[in-house]
Amino acid sequence: DIQMTQSPSSLSASVGDSVTITCRASQSISGYLNWYQHKPGRAPKLLISAASSLQSGVPSRFSGSGSGTDFTLTISGLQPEDFATFYCQQSYTTPWTFGQGTKVEIK
Amino acid sequence: QVQLQESGPGLVKPSQTLALTCTVSGGAIASGSFYWSWIRQPAGKGLEWIGRVYTSGSTNYNPSFKGRVTISVDTSKNQFSLKLRSVTAADTAVFYCARETRDGTPNSFDIWGQGTMVTVSS
Repeated sequence: DIQMTQSPSSLSASVGDSVTITCRASQSISGYLNWYQHKPGRAPKLLISAASSLQSGVPSRFSGSGSGTDFTLTISGLQPEDFATFYCQQSYTTPWTFGQGTKVEIK
Repeated sequence: QVQLQESGPGLVKPSQTLALTCTVSGGAIASGSFYWSWIRQPAGKGLEWIGRVYTSGSTNYNPSFKGRVTISVDTSKNQFSLKLRSVTAADTAVFYCARETRDGTPNSFDIWGQGTMVTVSS
């Protein structure tokens, strides 16, 4: 299975800050990388697919980049509604696997 | 707008079979280029893909479940289901159903249910 490793596992930030979450795959996955936002008790939400393709309706402050084994999710100007846990997921080969999550908390 | 809703018992005894159903509303399960997946999240842990079904009935499973899992689809009811046999406490988790795209772009889970908590305990 392809192992996905996210860092950091948690971070504290203030409204307006820019934050970057990294995701590393145990082997090259080309651009087959998705990012999700998950709030407690809610359905996870797809933010970005194919490493950098922003889903319809997702604010442009979210952006993704990377290819091969290293990927990043950047939130430029955190908003109160952005505090959540973020997961990366590879869709290169089954079984699909997720990173362990990065919890973004309010400082 | 397509929505997914999980349903099933919240408590299952060890060694028994966990059975959940996902009801799809707002669209026909048989239309479009989608797989229908199950994903779980044990408390304090990450997300784990269990497997998926296509509307033809073809399936793919995560080998980590060692043959304990069956996913099926009922297009007449617009539902798909999960059965996980011989459960133990380690199977206690929030279970999500999700729609997986298969339109030629990299697959992704574009719609999820809210999740249902299943506890394995006697």
